[in-house]
Amino acid sequence: DAGVIQSPRHEVTEMGQEVTLRCKPISGHNSLFWYRQTMMRGLELLIYFNNNVPIDDSGMPEDRFSAKMPNASFSTLKIQPSEPRDSAVYFCASSPLRGADTQYFGPGTRLTVL
Amino acid sequence: KQEVTQIPAALSVPEGENLVLNCSFTDSAIYNLQWFRQDPGKGLTSLLLIQSSQREQTSGRLNASLDKSSGRSTLYIAASQPGDSATYLCAGNLITQGGSEKLVFGKGTKLTVNP
Repeated sequence: DAGVIQSPRHEVTEMGQEVTLRCKPISGHNSLFWYRQTMMRGLELLIYFNNNVPIDDSGMPEDRFSAKMPNASFSTLKIQPSEPRDSAVYFCASSPLRGADTQYFGPGTRLTVL
Repeated sequence: KQEVTQIPAALSVPEGENLVLNCSFTDSAIYNLQWFRQDPGKGLTSLLLIQSSQREQTSGRLNASLDKSSGRSTLYIAASQPGDSATYLCAGNLITQGGSEKLVFGKGTKLTVNP
Protein backbone atom coordinates (compact mmCIF):
# COMPACT_ATOMS: atom_id res chain seq x y z
CA ASP A 1 0.00 0.00 0.00
CA ALA A 2 1.25 3.50 -0.84
CA GLY A 3 0.14 4.96 2.46
CA VAL A 4 -1.64 8.29 2.82
CA ILE A 5 -0.84 10.53 -0.13
CA GLN A 6 -0.84 14.31 0.13
CA SER A 7 -0.32 16.90 -2.56
CA PRO A 8 1.32 19.22 -3.07
CA ARG A 9 4.24 18.59 -0.73
CA HIS A 10 5.18 22.24 -0.74
CA GLU A 11 3.07 25.28 -1.56
CA VAL A 12 4.16 28.90 -1.64
CA THR A 13 1.48 31.46 -2.30
CA GLU A 14 0.73 35.11 -1.76
CA MET A 15 -1.66 36.50 0.79
CA GLY A 16 -5.22 36.55 -0.48
CA GLN A 17 -4.84 33.61 -2.84
CA GLU A 18 -6.90 30.44 -2.59
CA VAL A 19 -5.03 27.32 -1.50
CA THR A 20 -6.27 23.76 -1.93
CA LEU A 21 -4.56 20.85 -0.21
CA ARG A 22 -5.36 17.29 -1.26
CA CYS A 23 -5.35 13.94 0.51
CA LYS A 24 -5.85 10.36 -0.61
CA PRO A 25 -6.38 8.07 2.41
CA ILE A 26 -5.34 4.45 2.60
CA SER A 27 -7.80 2.27 0.71
CA GLY A 28 -10.39 0.76 3.03
CA HIS A 29 -9.92 3.32 5.76
CA ASN A 30 -13.14 5.04 6.72
CA SER A 31 -11.88 7.85 8.97
CA LEU A 32 -9.87 10.84 7.80
CA PHE A 33 -8.28 13.59 9.85
CA TRP A 34 -6.78 16.96 8.89
CA TYR A 35 -4.16 18.46 11.25
CA ARG A 36 -2.09 21.63 11.29
CA GLN A 37 1.39 21.77 12.85
CA THR A 38 3.17 24.97 13.89
CA MET A 39 6.05 25.66 16.24
CA MET A 40 3.86 27.75 18.50
CA ARG A 41 0.80 25.54 18.78
CA GLY A 42 2.12 22.09 17.92
CA LEU A 43 -0.14 19.61 16.14
CA GLU A 44 -3.84 20.48 16.18
CA LEU A 45 -6.84 18.61 14.81
CA LEU A 46 -8.77 20.71 12.31
CA ILE A 47 -11.51 18.32 11.17
CA TYR A 48 -12.40 14.66 11.29
CA PHE A 49 -14.51 12.68 8.78
CA ASN A 50 -16.03 9.25 9.20
CA ASN A 51 -17.54 7.54 6.16
CA ASN A 52 -17.13 10.83 4.26
CA VAL A 53 -19.24 12.75 6.80
CA PRO A 54 -17.69 15.53 8.92
CA ILE A 55 -17.92 14.43 12.56
CA ASP A 56 -15.98 17.15 14.35
CA ASP A 57 -14.98 20.45 12.74
CA SER A 58 -14.51 22.38 15.96
CA GLY A 59 -10.82 22.80 15.23
CA MET A 60 -11.34 24.66 11.97
CA PRO A 61 -9.95 28.11 12.82
CA GLU A 62 -12.37 30.30 10.90
CA ASP A 63 -14.64 30.54 7.91
CA ARG A 64 -11.70 30.91 5.56
CA PHE A 65 -11.07 27.20 6.06
CA SER A 66 -13.26 24.52 4.53
CA ALA A 67 -12.86 20.78 4.03
CA LYS A 68 -14.69 18.29 1.86
CA MET A 69 -14.65 14.56 1.37
CA PRO A 70 -16.68 13.83 -1.76
CA ASN A 71 -15.82 10.12 -1.70
CA ALA A 72 -13.91 7.56 0.32
CA SER A 73 -10.67 8.07 -1.59
CA PHE A 74 -10.28 11.84 -1.68
CA SER A 75 -10.44 14.87 0.58
CA THR A 76 -9.54 18.54 0.21
CA LEU A 77 -8.73 21.32 2.65
CA LYS A 78 -9.25 24.78 1.19
CA ILE A 79 -8.14 28.14 2.53
CA GLN A 80 -9.69 31.19 0.92
CA PRO A 81 -8.35 33.82 1.25
CA SER A 82 -5.00 32.72 2.64
CA GLU A 83 -3.09 34.79 5.21
CA PRO A 84 0.56 34.66 6.38
CA ARG A 85 -0.54 33.20 9.74
CA ASP A 86 -1.84 30.15 7.88
CA SER A 87 1.76 29.15 7.14
CA ALA A 88 2.23 25.70 8.67
CA VAL A 89 2.57 22.04 7.83
CA TYR A 90 -0.79 20.42 7.15
CA PHE A 91 -1.11 16.69 7.74
CA CYS A 92 -3.78 14.26 6.65
CA ALA A 93 -4.23 10.97 8.48
CA SER A 94 -6.54 8.02 7.94
CA SER A 95 -7.73 5.20 10.16
CA PRO A 96 -9.52 1.91 9.56
CA LEU A 97 -11.55 2.58 12.68
CA ARG A 98 -14.17 5.13 13.62
CA GLY A 99 -12.16 6.42 16.54
CA ALA A 100 -8.86 8.26 16.90
CA ASP A 101 -6.67 5.19 17.49
CA THR A 102 -4.49 3.69 14.79
CA GLN A 103 -4.00 6.73 12.59
CA TYR A 104 -1.65 6.61 9.64
CA PHE A 105 -0.20 9.98 8.72
CA GLY A 106 0.71 11.37 5.33
CA PRO A 107 4.00 13.21 4.72
CA GLY A 108 2.35 16.62 5.07
CA THR A 109 2.08 19.75 2.94
CA ARG A 110 4.32 22.65 3.92
CA LEU A 111 2.38 25.84 3.20
CA THR A 112 4.04 29.24 3.09
CA VAL A 113 1.86 32.31 2.63
CA LEU A 114 3.85 35.44 1.79
CA LYS B 1 -8.72 23.08 27.84
CA GLN B 2 -6.91 19.80 27.50
CA GLU B 3 -3.15 20.11 27.65
CA VAL B 4 -0.39 17.65 26.98
CA THR B 5 3.09 18.75 28.01
CA GLN B 6 6.41 17.21 27.07
CA ILE B 7 9.64 17.89 28.89
CA PRO B 8 12.36 18.42 27.82
CA ALA B 9 11.75 20.09 24.46
CA ALA B 10 15.12 18.83 23.24
CA LEU B 11 17.58 16.20 24.40
CA SER B 12 21.03 15.25 23.19
CA VAL B 13 22.68 12.04 24.37
CA PRO B 14 25.66 9.88 23.39
CA GLU B 15 25.02 6.61 21.60
CA GLY B 16 24.30 3.67 23.87
CA GLU B 17 22.70 5.67 26.65
CA ASN B 18 19.35 4.71 28.13
CA LEU B 19 16.93 7.63 28.23
CA VAL B 20 13.46 8.64 29.35
CA LEU B 21 11.09 11.06 27.67
CA ASN B 22 8.30 12.53 29.76
CA CYS B 23 4.71 13.41 28.98
CA SER B 24 2.09 14.87 31.33
CA PHE B 25 -1.57 15.61 30.76
CA THR B 26 -4.07 17.64 32.72
CA ASP B 27 -7.34 16.18 31.50
CA SER B 28 -8.57 13.08 33.31
CA ALA B 29 -10.80 12.43 30.30
CA ILE B 30 -7.74 11.22 28.42
CA TYR B 31 -8.13 7.45 28.36
CA ASN B 32 -5.48 6.13 25.96
CA LEU B 33 -1.99 7.43 25.42
CA GLN B 34 0.08 7.07 22.28
CA TRP B 35 3.68 7.80 21.44
CA PHE B 36 4.62 8.84 17.92
CA ARG B 37 7.89 9.42 16.12
CA GLN B 38 8.32 12.23 13.58
CA ASP B 39 11.32 12.43 11.28
CA PRO B 40 12.19 15.75 9.59
CA GLY B 41 9.94 16.46 6.61
CA LYS B 42 7.83 13.41 7.25
CA GLY B 43 4.58 12.47 8.90
CA LEU B 44 4.09 10.77 12.25
CA THR B 45 4.57 7.08 12.86
CA SER B 46 2.81 5.44 15.79
CA LEU B 47 5.23 3.65 18.13
CA LEU B 48 3.17 2.47 21.07
CA LEU B 49 -0.45 2.70 22.18
CA ILE B 50 -1.26 2.22 25.86
CA GLN B 51 -4.92 1.42 26.47
CA SER B 52 -6.61 2.80 29.55
CA SER B 53 -6.66 -0.66 31.15
CA GLN B 54 -2.92 -1.11 30.65
CA ARG B 55 0.00 0.39 32.49
CA GLU B 56 2.71 -0.18 29.91
CA GLN B 57 3.57 -1.40 26.43
CA THR B 58 6.85 -2.64 25.02
CA SER B 59 8.20 -2.82 21.49
CA GLY B 60 11.82 -3.80 21.04
CA ARG B 61 13.99 -1.24 22.81
CA LEU B 62 11.01 0.97 23.58
CA ASN B 63 8.87 0.81 26.70
CA ALA B 64 6.04 3.21 27.45
CA SER B 65 4.21 3.51 30.74
CA LEU B 66 0.99 5.22 31.70
CA ASP B 67 -0.12 6.43 35.13
CA LYS B 68 -3.54 8.00 34.71
CA SER B 69 -3.84 8.91 38.39
CA SER B 70 -0.85 11.22 38.18
CA GLY B 71 -1.44 12.23 34.54
CA ARG B 72 1.95 11.03 33.39
CA SER B 73 3.47 8.82 30.73
CA THR B 74 7.09 7.99 30.02
CA LEU B 75 8.84 6.58 26.98
CA TYR B 76 11.98 4.64 27.82
CA ILE B 77 14.50 4.02 25.05
CA ALA B 78 17.19 1.48 25.83
CA ALA B 79 20.65 1.49 24.30
CA SER B 80 19.96 4.52 22.11
CA GLN B 81 21.27 4.61 18.53
CA PRO B 82 21.85 7.47 16.07
CA GLY B 83 18.87 6.15 14.10
CA ASP B 84 16.65 6.99 17.08
CA SER B 85 17.23 10.69 16.41
CA ALA B 86 13.81 12.20 15.73
CA THR B 87 11.05 14.15 17.44
CA TYR B 88 8.88 12.07 19.77
CA LEU B 89 5.32 13.18 20.41
CA CYS B 90 2.85 11.88 22.91
CA ALA B 91 -0.88 12.16 22.32
CA GLY B 92 -3.87 11.49 24.53
CA ASN B 93 -7.15 10.08 23.24
CA LEU B 94 -10.20 11.71 24.65
CA ILE B 95 -13.91 11.91 24.02
CA THR B 96 -15.07 15.43 23.21
CA GLN B 97 -18.26 16.96 24.55
CA GLY B 98 -19.76 16.24 21.14
CA GLY B 99 -19.06 12.54 21.59
CA SER B 100 -16.32 12.20 18.99
CA GLU B 101 -12.80 10.99 19.69
CA LYS B 102 -9.73 13.11 19.16
CA LEU B 103 -6.01 13.03 19.80
CA VAL B 104 -4.47 15.89 21.77
CA PHE B 105 -0.75 16.18 21.08
CA GLY B 106 2.19 17.47 23.04
CA LYS B 107 4.71 19.63 21.20
CA GLY B 108 7.29 16.88 21.22
CA THR B 109 10.81 16.19 22.43
CA LYS B 110 13.53 16.49 19.78
CA LEU B 111 16.04 13.70 20.45
CA THR B 112 19.56 13.68 19.05
CA VAL B 113 21.71 10.59 19.60
CA ASN B 114 25.36 11.35 18.89
CA PRO B 115 27.63 8.62 17.51
